[in-house]
Amino acid sequence: GPKVLQIPSHQIIDMGQMVTLNCDPVSNHLYFYWYKQILGQQMEFLVNFYNGKVMEKSKLFKDQFSVERPDGSYFTLKIQPTALEDSAVYFCASSPLNQDTQYFGPGTRLLVL
Amino acid sequence: GQQVQQSPASLVLQEGENAELQCNFSTSLNSMQWFYQRPGGSLVSLFYNPSGTKHSGRLTSTTVIKERRSSLHISSSQTTDSGTYLCALERYSNNRIFFGDGTQLVVKP
Repeated sequence: GPKVLQIPSHQIIDMGQMVTLNCDPVSNHLYFYWYKQILGQQMEFLVNFYNGKVMEKSKLFKDQFSVERPDGSYFTLKIQPTALEDSAVYFCASSPLNQDTQYFGPGTRLLVL
Repeated sequence: GQQVQQSPASLVLQEGENAELQCNFSTSLNSMQWFYQRPGGSLVSLFYNPSGTKHSGRLTSTTVIKERRSSLHISSSQTTDSGTYLCALERYSNNRIFFGDGTQLVVKP
């Protein structure tokens, strides 16, 4: 079936540094999402993105977060600067339409020290 | 308040038994999606089910909008079914998904 890829699978960085999480969505999909799951807790919505713009973002999507998809390349989540509470697994998802199945990537495990 | 509530929180079965996982929602539903989360964390989409009943192998999903509930039935469970099952409610109006806390399923041989 359709696959969403995420790079890297793991990332360890020092607090205050910048990190960019990359997502390679399904090729013909138009809607993109980021979710955050802290270990042992439920998955939470961060942001969704369509046609080059953020459609909606949650309270978890702090000012230090930003997303973009330049020229149809990776859909990225950038955190600058990082904080300890940013440690989590970040899942990217994509869907062809806004009323359709979302396909998830395997996640990027981010550890902020 | 929490939009999506799953039950039970955990379930232990003997191989071959059936499982019934429930998801109740407190807001208007646009669609319900069921996921299986592997122990490593990655998600597998099981069903996208706005309403009615859908089948896939040993899995059956039923969503009843009027009653604000969705269920996932696993028949003849296998040890490989062990893991976390998540239901997620989608709102078309803002294209957001709300996740439940999940059901931890353990199937013993």
